[in-house]
Amino acid sequence: EPEVTQTPSHQVTQMGQEVILRCVPISNHLYFYWYRQILGQKVEFLVSFYNNEISEKSEIFDDQFSVERPDGSNFTLKIRSTKLEDSAMYFCASSPGSVGNTIYFGEGSWLTVV
Amino acid sequence: QKEVEQDPGPLSVPEGAIVSLNCTYSNSAFQYFMWYRQYSRKGPELLMYTYSSGNKEDGRFTAQVDKSSKYISLFIRDSQPSDSATYLCAMFNDYKLSFGAGTTVTVRA
Repeated sequence: EPEVTQTPSHQVTQMGQEVILRCVPISNHLYFYWYRQILGQKVEFLVSFYNNEISEKSEIFDDQFSVERPDGSNFTLKIRSTKLEDSAMYFCASSPGSVGNTIYFGEGSWLTVV
Repeated sequence: QKEVEQDPGPLSVPEGAIVSLNCTYSNSAFQYFMWYRQYSRKGPELLMYTYSSGNKEDGRFTAQVDKSSKYISLFIRDSQPSDSATYLCAMFNDYKLSFGAGTTVTVRA
């Protein structure tokens, strides 16, 4: 069964460093997303991406964050100048269309900022 | 008022019992209503979705949506220890899912 894959599964970084989280969405999907979940809190939307453009972004997704689809298979989330409060599980997701009933999530990348 | 409200539990039931989970929401624009299952430190796994009001059944799982009350439910019949997980309700609008806090369920053997 096709799945969304994410790397790394866990990353520890120093405060102020830049981090890139990588995702390979399901191959025939067209819409891509990043969500995050701070430990013990709810899953929060960060950004949606379609046709090489951001479709929607949340208040969390400020200038510190950026997304890119550098080639036909990868989808990345870059976090610049990381802060302690960026420590969270980051989930990539994808869907074949714009309807929300078929959004599939990866296993997550656990980011720890020290 | 939170956009999606879900009682975090925890909920503990004996094996074979019916598990009843629910969420309320405030945004009338939501059209798609999903239930995800999440194990500790894993990604949400899509269980079921319902479009607009109505019921949907899939094996031991039944999802219900009442848009007039802004209330959705998930029922798990004949619960098994393997159903122990956190269950997240989620609603879709404007290219994004809005999640509830998740209800942690333990099914005791």
